[in-house]
Amino acid sequence: EAQVTQNPRYLITVTGKKLTVTCSQNMNHEYMSWYRQDPGLGLRQIYYSMNVEVTDKGDVPEGYKVSRKEKRNFPLILESPSPNQTSLYFCASSLKTRTFYNEQFFGPGTRLTVL
Amino acid sequence: RKEVEQDPGPFNVPEGATVAFNCTYSNSASQSFFWYRQDCRKEPKLLMSVYSSGNEDGRFTAQLNRASQYISLLIRDSKLSDSATYLCVVNMGLDTGANSKLTFGKGITLSVRP
Repeated sequence: EAQVTQNPRYLITVTGKKLTVTCSQNMNHEYMSWYRQDPGLGLRQIYYSMNVEVTDKGDVPEGYKVSRKEKRNFPLILESPSPNQTSLYFCASSLKTRTFYNEQFFGPGTRLTVL
Repeated sequence: RKEVEQDPGPFNVPEGATVAFNCTYSNSASQSFFWYRQDCRKEPKLLMSVYSSGNEDGRFTAQLNRASQYISLLIRDSKLSDSATYLCVVNMGLDTGANSKLTFGKGITLSVRP
């Protein structure tokens, strides 16, 4: 089944404790992205990657890191989480073609709480 | 002006009603447009792409007005299963050939009652 998976789905942690949220897709998509969704603010892009070893900042990259060493994986790293990073996180992927009408496929989301 | 702005909600309509959502975008160079649907506590999923000529998929019709920079979604004969949040999404098109800069509206919540 074609899908985007994220782990963990739920995480409660404490301020300053490094964590990684994994994202993996099995559709051979070049493009991957991370979003956070907060009440009243909608979905905001954190980082995106056009291909292996190519990453770039989205709208809200502060406090986050990413890497793209393999095509299928795009982990999100919080080196020192803070309470303002409590949010619902989505990973997404899509093909990279010459059209701008590429559907983005989202993972199921990771609900993170930082105490 | 916000990059992507949607009608404030929520919308509460009876089954069978016709409901219309509007969305405006600020960047006239935007390349492509979409409506995504998000069920409670779930991931967003593509509902429809929005083309310049307008497009229809069953009870759903999407339209684009580039001159006025707005997108609309019309749902006819509403069903209980249409209850969800509808996200207007605009691709600013910063990189050719990929959705590198998708900007999401905050979403409109639709509740269809029996």
